[in-house]
Amino acid sequence: DVKVTQSSRYLVKRTGEKVFLECVQDMDHENMFWYRQDPGLGLRLIYFSYDVKMKEKGDIPEGYSVSREKKERFSLILESASTNQTSMYLCASGGPRDTRLLQYFGPGTRLLVL
Amino acid sequence: GQQVMQIPQYQHVQEGEDFTTYCNSSTTLSNIQWYKQRPGGHPVFLIQLVKSGEVKKQKRLTFQFGEAKKNSSLHITATQTTDVGTYFCAGLLYNFNKFYFGSGTKLNVKP
Repeated sequence: DVKVTQSSRYLVKRTGEKVFLECVQDMDHENMFWYRQDPGLGLRLIYFSYDVKMKEKGDIPEGYSVSREKKERFSLILESASTNQTSMYLCASGGPRDTRLLQYFGPGTRLLVL
Repeated sequence: GQQVMQIPQYQHVQEGEDFTTYCNSSTTLSNIQWYKQRPGGHPVFLIQLVKSGEVKKQKRLTFQFGEAKKNSSLHITATQTTDVGTYFCAGLLYNFNKFYFGSGTKLNVKP
């Protein structure tokens, strides 16, 4: 059974804190993705990675950075959390080439920034 | 602007009625995927369509990819309460190596 896990289901942080969200997949997938999901806006891509140490900006990368030191792990970093980063964060992994949109999602992390 | 438009945003149906959600792109798509997200859950992959005019069925669900590969639809026949959730499409833009999720259609089924 395929699995994508995220480090926390719920997280409360204060404005200005550095926040780490971690994602681990066990499918040996090349591609990994970070999205945020907000009501009425659907899923918006923050960053993705197509290989270890490789990353590409998505549609809304501002205020975020990522790290992929190992194939199975993809981390999202909020350098200085702000209230407008309160959201649901979803990690996903996908296979190579045209199967990369056949994505498996983690359970999500609901982040509240006070 | 949004590359993949999805309508309607919400749909409320009586159990047993049919339901359809549509995705439209101004740009030709290489392929399109459909996902379902149950309330409180995460998106789960349903199906991928690749060929022009392709039609695929999964029990009561019928997926279509338009001839021009710019639109797609998901049709549910005789909805059940287990169909409740948000349905998303995701399209890979041809020759652009970029993809976009639609904003989703939230389906509510009244028993």
